[in-house]
Amino acid sequence: GENVEQHPSTLSVQEGDSAVIKCTYSDSASNYFPWYKQELGKRPQLIIDIRSNVGEKKDQRIAVTLNKTAKHFSLHITETQPEDSAVYFCAASSGDSSYKLIFGSGTRLLVRP
Amino acid sequence: SAVISQKPSRDICQRGTSLTIQCQVDSQVTMMFWYRQQPGQSLTLIATANQGSEATYESGFVIDKFPISRPNLTFSTLTVSNMSPEDSSIYLCSANGQGNTEAFFGQGTRLTVV
Repeated sequence: GENVEQHPSTLSVQEGDSAVIKCTYSDSASNYFPWYKQELGKRPQLIIDIRSNVGEKKDQRIAVTLNKTAKHFSLHITETQPEDSAVYFCAASSGDSSYKLIFGSGTRLLVRP
Repeated sequence: SAVISQKPSRDICQRGTSLTIQCQVDSQVTMMFWYRQQPGQSLTLIATANQGSEATYESGFVIDKFPISRPNLTFSTLTVSNMSPEDSSIYLCSANGQGNTEAFFGQGTRLTVV
């Protein structure tokens, strides 16, 4: 089955700096890669996603890149703000028709004001 | 997007008892899933709730421990049976929106077994 690895586990940046979180996946048939933000005590919220036929996608300060050959994808947050502090999870679809998501281990991002 | 309501939001239960968690979606969805998230950890998929047939369980999870119902396209339940303190966790329901890809989550059920 699919396996998703995520790093770093924690990331501390100064407000205004950029943050990059990286994930690798094992199943070459996976074709959908979302990123979720989870604030303390809250549900995971989808912030951006990318499909396998696209190499990069951007939404304001957030971007995701996908390298299918290397089976890795990354989340880029520019001009970080304290409200970006949260736990971020990457995920990959299983690649079959079940549409289930397998999650990475999470990255705790702290943006220092 | 789909709006997902889960209840109860939290509960404290005695070991050996069972708890049923309900998940209601505001629109018909094809796919519904149940996850477990232990404190400070990632989300682990328990099973896919299939409408009209038995749930599909992931490795390490069995129907006797986590029976799931999916009577229609908007509702599912997860029961945590014969609970032990190791079952203390947050249980999350999710459903896929249009196109069966974007997954939305309920607010979670925080379960403590004493």
